[in-house]
Amino acid sequence: GAVVSQHPSRVICKSGTSVKIECRSLDFQATTMFWYRQFPKKSLMLMATSNEGSKATYEQGVEKDKFLINHASLTLSTLTVTSAHPEDSSFYICSARVGQVSYGYTFGSGTRLTVV
Amino acid sequence: KQEVTQIPAALSVPEGENLVLNCSFTDSAIYNLQWFRQDPGKGLTSLLLIQSSQREQTSGRLNASLDKSSGRSTLYIAASQPGDSATYLCGGTDKLIFGTGTRLQVFP
Repeated sequence: GAVVSQHPSRVICKSGTSVKIECRSLDFQATTMFWYRQFPKKSLMLMATSNEGSKATYEQGVEKDKFLINHASLTLSTLTVTSAHPEDSSFYICSARVGQVSYGYTFGSGTRLTVV
Repeated sequence: KQEVTQIPAALSVPEGENLVLNCSFTDSAIYNLQWFRQDPGKGLTSLLLIQSSQREQTSGRLNASLDKSSGRSTLYIAASQPGDSATYLCGGTDKLIFGTGTRLQVFP
């Protein structure tokens, strides 16, 4: 089946630094990927929709300059948390649409970001 | 704006029970419907996908149905097992929006 690989699984960084999270579709082309953030014991909050070759579409309330998304190829989307602060600590998950909408979505395994 | 509600929010049952999890959308214009499970600290694993032309899907002990007219879906888990313990999430639009899910605990 369609697999999305997300790296790193865990990262600890110092406040003020930037962190990049990668999401790769391994055996299919993903023209559209989604980035979510999840707080402890809460559901997933959609942050942005990433489209290959174009600018990402951000959900209301999500800072574009804080969370930079790049989808430069059909198999790779990246989320960069810039100038990270402790409040950015969270669980980040990516998802890719498998072909057309009717084929559903597959998720990465998530990245636990801790900013100290 | 699409919103998703899942009932119950939490469920704790002894193993062997048959379970029903409910999912509803404020906007009933759902193209397809997908159920996922999430284990603590992990990503989401797809369980069942009901495409737009379908009304239900079955996989092993799991059965999911979709009523597009009302914007409701039901996940049925037969003969629950401790390994079923997880959070169950449903999503069903062109960009997946999730509710808070149902946290299920099945104890021996």
